[in-house]
Amino acid sequence: DSGVTQTPKHLITATGQRVTLRCSPRSGDLSVYWYQQSLDQGLQFLIQYYNGEERAKGNILERFSAQQFPDLHSELNLSSLELGDSALYFCASSVGGQGQTEAFFGQGTRLTVV
Amino acid sequence: QQPVQSPQAVILREGEDAVINCSSSKALYSVHWYRQKHGEAPVFLMILLKGGEQKGHDKISASFNEKKQQSSLYLTASQLSYSGTYFCGTVPLEYGNKLVFGAGTILRVKS
Repeated sequence: DSGVTQTPKHLITATGQRVTLRCSPRSGDLSVYWYQQSLDQGLQFLIQYYNGEERAKGNILERFSAQQFPDLHSELNLSSLELGDSALYFCASSVGGQGQTEAFFGQGTRLTVV
Repeated sequence: QQPVQSPQAVILREGEDAVINCSSSKALYSVHWYRQKHGEAPVFLMILLKGGEQKGHDKISASFNEKKQQSSLYLTASQLSYSGTYFCGTVPLEYGNKLVFGAGTILRVKS
């Protein structure tokens, strides 16, 4: 158990809908990263927050948005869902925000768009 | 910005050694190595920082050539439990917050 909690574990929704994925980082970690992993693919970096502020952005679609709240949990919002958005979404947390400390991954949320 | 990993896949017998390589076109602040088993979350293995500081497991080691922006992960006396997909993640000096992963190397250890 990495200490990073993601909910829900599984989500099935229809095209055009909107969903929210939640991530609670390890106690003491200030940084949260979000990644998308399509079937048997690599980890695509979406976005990173540190202590409530957006610090880095990857190839995140405009239909996707995220935020980190004062209690440091983070949410990833996916809207106008398409079939191609079906994937495993991971969040990871780390103490530092500069890549100097290891990141710990949650178990992921498996999103299926039908 | 995505680092390049090689080989894409490797098959070993128990007890054999393997090397996985990772290279970047950017000057790097750190290199991270993770292992992911099918259907599970990636698990941290090793971090290498600019300046030579190294952390990690005792049976798995790694090197970081800062001048060449290259890292290698060394797996010695492989065990069945080493099977999985290995990802290297890099943090460029220019964008110190982006931890970007390579496409992964599939490692399969056979008995």
